[in-house]
Amino acid sequence: NAGVTQTPKFQVLKTGQSMTLQCAQDMNHNSMYWYRQDPGMGLRLIYYSASEGTTDKGEVPNGYNVSRLNKREFSLRLESAAPSQTSVYFCASSEVQGGGYTFGSGTRLTVV
Amino acid sequence: SQQGEEDPQALSIQEGENATMNCSYKTSINNLQWYRQNSGRGLVHLILIRSNEREKHSGRLRVTLDTSKKSSSLLITASRAADTASYFCATDRNTGNQFYFGTGTSLTVIP
Repeated sequence: NAGVTQTPKFQVLKTGQSMTLQCAQDMNHNSMYWYRQDPGMGLRLIYYSASEGTTDKGEVPNGYNVSRLNKREFSLRLESAAPSQTSVYFCASSEVQGGGYTFGSGTRLTVV
Repeated sequence: SQQGEEDPQALSIQEGENATMNCSYKTSINNLQWYRQNSGRGLVHLILIRSNEREKHSGRLRVTLDTSKKSSSLLITASRAADTASYFCATDRNTGNQFYFGTGTSLTVIP
């Protein structure tokens, strides 16, 4: 099925560990995004990539890095995980900037 | 900081009734979108409305936009149990490229 695929679906990390969340889309979309969703906070934009080769910070970029590996893939890296990064992470893509997003099913991350 | 604020935070209705959710925002926009999220799932795009549009329809969904009041509403007519979900508005803060989400309205449709 066409769409946005995120891996892993669940992850538990210890404080200070690092990990990379993977995201791939097969719709030939130009723009990709990483959001985190916390109870009562809605979704907050971490980083986005308007097109292949570009990345920009969103609202809450601290503690994260991203890589737009190619047009299909956009990864999110936590270099030194903290309990405050416990959240559900969503990747999304859009054909053009300003267009509707297609979301992945999310990665539920717990940092202990 | 959140751009959109949905109201009410929670809404419970009987199947067959209409559900109305509102979204207010603070800065000017190019586009506003509405999304649905079923429990434990990703968000699904419902409707995009541009700042020069006042109303859009999609099936049982009707979205209005009043840029002078910086507000939008989502109306779901003849609701079904399957409409039970959280609904979010998202605005682009006039950037045209990334969207900022509100905290959502939790809708429960009772069969």
